[in-house]
Amino acid sequence: DAKTTQPPSMDCAEGRAANLPCNHSTISGNEYVYWYRQIHSQGPQYIIHGLKNNETNEMASLIITEDRKSSTLILPHATLRDTAVYYCIVRPAQVYQKVTFGTGTKLQVIP
Amino acid sequence: GAVVSQHPSRVICKSGTSVKIECRSLDFQATTMFWYRQFPKQSLMLMATSNEGSKATYEQGVEKDKFLINHASLTLSTLTVTSAHPEDSSFYICSARDLLDRPNTGELFFGEGSRLTVL
Repeated sequence: DAKTTQPPSMDCAEGRAANLPCNHSTISGNEYVYWYRQIHSQGPQYIIHGLKNNETNEMASLIITEDRKSSTLILPHATLRDTAVYYCIVRPAQVYQKVTFGTGTKLQVIP
Repeated sequence: GAVVSQHPSRVICKSGTSVKIECRSLDFQATTMFWYRQFPKQSLMLMATSNEGSKATYEQGVEKDKFLINHASLTLSTLTVTSAHPEDSSFYICSARDLLDRPNTGELFFGEGSRLTVL
């Protein structure tokens, strides 16, 4: 897996948008950007993924820069339940490859 | 969505005993499952890749005789921590991907984790 860099922690006010950045400057052409989150003492949860276009689902939006060297996960209206560690991962989508995790970003949503 | 179940969720054992953790894919089949270990305030560390019907592939630094992995069917992988010691106390998490790649996202599904405490 390509290396990713994320800030170790961020705070966000409840109800505001949380924007979590990720740098992946060594991403290859066939690698997707995946986002997972881990709420304390639980297994990771899939959030969203994309290749080069921006993506949106019921949980979040993913903005990928044109050069694909960085991306931003957006939680449009953060709630206290969004407090978690968020992991950005790059990997091929259609290959049974292992997933390795970086250190992630600890997002604290503040009332 | 697809569900991966781990059992037990918590286990406490005495030093020197062995502990088995099960990982099941409940509504899909998986030829490959992954086992992770997570220490407090740290990220997930990949331990091994479990392959149905063949030997597991271990990451560098992970003792294969210490952490026995068996993937006997397309829905079950087990991790056995042999002769457990207090330093093996950790949060163990498995993950699996749908053999048929439903819902076509390349998504990995994770279990809820098993917390092992060795006294």
